[in-house]
This record gives sequence, C-alpha cells and structure tokens, in this order.
Amino acid sequence: DGGITQSPKYLFRKEGQNVTLSCEQNLNHDAMYWYRQDPGQGLRLIYYSQIVNDFQKGDIAEGYSVSREKKESFPLTVTSAQKNPTAFYLCASSRTGPLTEKLFFGSGTQLSVL
Amino acid sequence: QKEVEQNSGPLSVPEGAIASLNCTYSDRGSQSFFWYRQYSGKSPELIMSIYSNGDKEDGRFTAQLNKASQYVSLLIRDSQPSDSATYLCAVNPFSGGYNKLIFGAGTRLAVHP
Repeated sequence: DGGITQSPKYLFRKEGQNVTLSCEQNLNHDAMYWYRQDPGQGLRLIYYSQIVNDFQKGDIAEGYSVSREKKESFPLTVTSAQKNPTAFYLCASSRTGPLTEKLFFGSGTQLSVL
Repeated sequence: QKEVEQNSGPLSVPEGAIASLNCTYSDRGSQSFFWYRQYSGKSPELIMSIYSNGDKEDGRFTAQLNKASQYVSLLIRDSQPSDSATYLCAVNPFSGGYNKLIFGAGTRLAVHP
C-alpha cells in the first residue's frame, strides 16, 4: 500500500540536543512538506520541497533544518536553536500541478522536551 | 499576513442535525480551498476541496465558497457521533501549483446522541 511513514511516533529531546524526525513516502510525489501543530492551533509550515535537492523555508523555519537527497525521503532536524520544540510534527506529500493537489499526511511525531 | 479564521468552538449539535462550520480568509486572490477532519492525536484527512464559487456536494458533506465575501463553509447533514472531531479549513493563496496551504486553527465539533 502507498503512503507516508513517519518515525518515531514519540520522541523526547534533551536540552541542547539535535533530533531528527524521519519521513518516507512511496507515492512517487515530487513535493514534500513539514508542518508543526501546537495544541488548539492550526498547522504551520516549517519547510517544503518541490523537487530533489531543493527546498524552501516556510513560515517558521528558524531552529529547523531539512534535506532532500532522495525523492522518497524528507527528514527534519530539530536543532538546539529551537527553544520551544514541543509540538506535533506532520509530514505531508503531494503531486505538483496547475492546481493545488491533495496533501497526504503521515501519522505524525509527538516531540516533547525532557 | 495571510490569515484563515475559524471559530474554535466547540460546536455542539445533536445526532441527526446539520452542522455548519465557517471559515474566512484574508487573501482575496486565493485559489483553492479545503476542509480537513482531524481526530485527536491523529493526522488530518481531506474531506472536501472546492475551487470555484458555489456549492459542492459529496455524500453528507457540502462545501460552499463565496469568493466575493471571502468565506468558505462546510455543512454536515445527518451528523453522527463519529463526526466529532476538529475541522480544519485550509486555503492556498498561491497559483502555479505551489501547495503552500494556510490552515485555520480549526473548529471542534461535538455530536451528541
């Protein structure tokens, strides 16, 4: 079955530590996205990538980094510079085209600070 | 600052009633509009998409778009307890396939038996 796999489901970060969230898709989608969701709030875009080896900052990129070395993979690193990392992180993918395409979401990673 | 506004709720409706969820957006040039349903602790799932003015129906769901007034709504007919969730409105203010959706904070819907 095609879909998006995020891991781990739960992640704990110690102060000063960098952590990496995994996102893999087998939908053959060109575009991939990372969103952050805080309780009672909507999704906010962190980074997105329309093509391999290229990515752009979203609205809240500070303290995060990404890479897109393969079409299937778009890992997100939460660096120690992100002072308030506790949130629900969602990875998504879509086709690209003249109209907005449906976003397919992974199951999410809940990141908490120890 | 492009914004999408929703009433946070909770919107409480009895089983079998019509639930009406509303959303307004600030960018008049927005092209595409979506409603996602999100259960607690889960990822959002697409319910409806709408691109032109008017109504679009899919089963018990109807999306309504009025670009002149900059609002989009979702009607859920014959509401069921399983419809209890947070409904996120999402808008794409860009054209050309750039899928940079802007999400509202969501409206929590509670359907009681």
